[in-house]
Amino acid sequence: DAKTTQPPSMDCAEGRAANLPCNHSTISGNEYVYWYRQIHSQGPQYIIHGLKNNETNEMASLIITEDRKSSTLILPHATLRDTAVYYCIVRVDGPAGNKLTFGGGTRVLVKP
Amino acid sequence: GAVVSQHPSWVICKSGTSVKIECRSLDFQATTMFWYRQFPKQSLMLMATSNEGSKATYEQGVEKDKFLINHASLTLSTLTVTSAHPEDSSFYICSARAQGVVYGYTFGSGTRLTVV
Repeated sequence: DAKTTQPPSMDCAEGRAANLPCNHSTISGNEYVYWYRQIHSQGPQYIIHGLKNNETNEMASLIITEDRKSSTLILPHATLRDTAVYYCIVRVDGPAGNKLTFGGGTRVLVKP
Repeated sequence: GAVVSQHPSWVICKSGTSVKIECRSLDFQATTMFWYRQFPKQSLMLMATSNEGSKATYEQGVEKDKFLINHASLTLSTLTVTSAHPEDSSFYICSARAQGVVYGYTFGSGTRLTVV
């Protein structure tokens, strides 16, 4: 699976949009981009995933560049409860045996 | 839907004893479950892939005789840390993939193991 690069940390203001970048320049054509977050001392929580097109759900939006070498997770209105470590993962979708490999993630601190 | 329950949420044990951690898929069948370990301030590290009815596949550097994995049913996988030592103290997290679920991978809430 392709490797991802994320900034180690970032701060954002409560109520503002948080834009989290992820670089995956070696991504293959059949690899999806997944985003998970981990709030302190809990298991990771799924946020969103996509292949080529931009995606939006009730939690966030995922913007994938046309060449698919990078993506941005957007939290439209950050709240204090969004403080967490956010992980960008790329992997091939397929049989259940395929595993998720976590990188360092971005530690996001939402400030009042 | 797609809930994974992990038990216990925390455990303290004496050095040299064994500890069992359970991971259950509550509302779906999981042919494959994954076990991760996470040390403070670090990312999740995959330990092994657990396949129902067969032997687990361990990642490089993980001792299979120390971390025993059993996946006897489609809804239950267990991780037993044998002869635990203080350096085994960590946060252990399981994950399962539900077939046909869009987002795929669901994680348990984790188990904090402290070996004294």
